[in-house]
Amino acid sequence: AQTVTQSQPEMSVQEAETVTLSCTYDTSESDYYLFWYKQPPSRQMILVIRQEAYKQQNATENRFSVNFQKAAKSFSLKISDSQLGDAAMYFCAYRQATSGTYKYIFGTGTRLKVLA
Amino acid sequence: DVKVTQSSRYLVKRTGEKVFLECVQDMDHENMFWYRQDPGLGLRLIYFSYDVKMKEKGDIPEGYSVSREKKERFSLILESASTNQTSMYLCASSPRIRRNSPLHFGNGTRLTVT
Repeated sequence: AQTVTQSQPEMSVQEAETVTLSCTYDTSESDYYLFWYKQPPSRQMILVIRQEAYKQQNATENRFSVNFQKAAKSFSLKISDSQLGDAAMYFCAYRQATSGTYKYIFGTGTRLKVLA
Repeated sequence: DVKVTQSSRYLVKRTGEKVFLECVQDMDHENMFWYRQDPGLGLRLIYFSYDVKMKEKGDIPEGYSVSREKKERFSLILESASTNQTSMYLCASSPRIRRNSPLHFGNGTRLTVT
């Protein structure tokens, strides 16, 4: 069975600095999708970034980028120039690409604090 | 923008009550999901539905049932609420065709069972 592990329950970063949140996963599949979600205090889960496993290039969305290491089954999120609004819970998620598979598997989350 | 609406933001129920959590999405998505979120456990899938009247059990279906009579609405039912069902419940939807599509979430319902 696939699993997703986020080993950092909580992280802190100084405003304007860079922080990296780690995520590892376990799967025997070769084709899948990976996601990072952000859940601010408002509780609305928002997609931050996604990565297709068949793409070697790391995904980037403005200040957010990933380091996708397929062989190591690692999918870390880097937040550059951290802002107070980045404070939230961050969840890593995996989804198998097989047609007819609908299940997303989530990690336990990392709470990010941004210090002014 | 996709909108997923959960009918209640906070809910307080008594042990043994039958509880309905409602979720509506406005983007014609085929797939709908109910997750439970607990500190340290992340999101765990309770049930999902890939079409009207179709449902499949997730990882923790015990004590829950679901109903999907219309495409846009997916209801989670606690037949006899218990204190261990006190939790945050998140509804989500996604289109079937685009396999790399993310889940679109509602704002969550924080349920307290006393």
